[in-house]
Amino acid sequence: ILNVEQSPQSLHVQEGDSTNFTCSFPSSNFYALHWYRWETAKSPEALFVMTLNGDEKKKGRISATLNTKEGYSYLYIKGSQPEDSATYLCALGDQFYFGTGTSLTVIP
Amino acid sequence: GAGVSQSPSNKVTEKGKDVELRCDPISGHTALYWYRQSLGQGLEFLIYFQGNSAPDKSGLPSDRFSAERTGGSVSTLTIQRTQQEDSAVYLCASSRDRAYNGYTFGSGTRLTVV
Repeated sequence: ILNVEQSPQSLHVQEGDSTNFTCSFPSSNFYALHWYRWETAKSPEALFVMTLNGDEKKKGRISATLNTKEGYSYLYIKGSQPEDSATYLCALGDQFYFGTGTSLTVIP
Repeated sequence: GAGVSQSPSNKVTEKGKDVELRCDPISGHTALYWYRQSLGQGLEFLIYFQGNSAPDKSGLPSDRFSAERTGGSVSTLTIQRTQQEDSAVYLCASSRDRAYNGYTFGSGTRLTVV
């Protein structure tokens, strides 16, 4: 079983603030890392798939970086909006292993 | 179909009863996963189907849980003699192939065992 950790567990930010959170994973035998956004009462939505060390992906105000050598990925949200409120999940490899997520609440 | 469809969306059952949860993946997707999320927990892998290969059942928590996938399409997750700790959201996801491109999730079945 691979240990995928996400921090912080929850986060409250004011609208307009930028924020970031972390996904940590064992650096050996890295395959791929996925980020998902999961809103309450909806299904998880794929954000990024990252495979190469140094990868940077961007989707609107959300971006992610990957460091496979040290075993972490950062997800950044620039200028947070209330609609960004969700749980952000990372998953390792063939997606057998999900982190417990970071719950983001953006306060208007 | 256009997306991954799960039914029912909500299920309340009495302890000790059997339940069946259904997942209808996107047409042509060969990979299918079942996960569950219990209250306050992360997503827990249950079982993985890939084409005609034998499923990976390593995540099933007990022998009360079983799943099948008929004709490489629809999958049914069966929980026998349900217990209160089985209460969770059960999610199904499918993909055209393994990994890389990510998966499309269904909207889940919320199971409550009373």
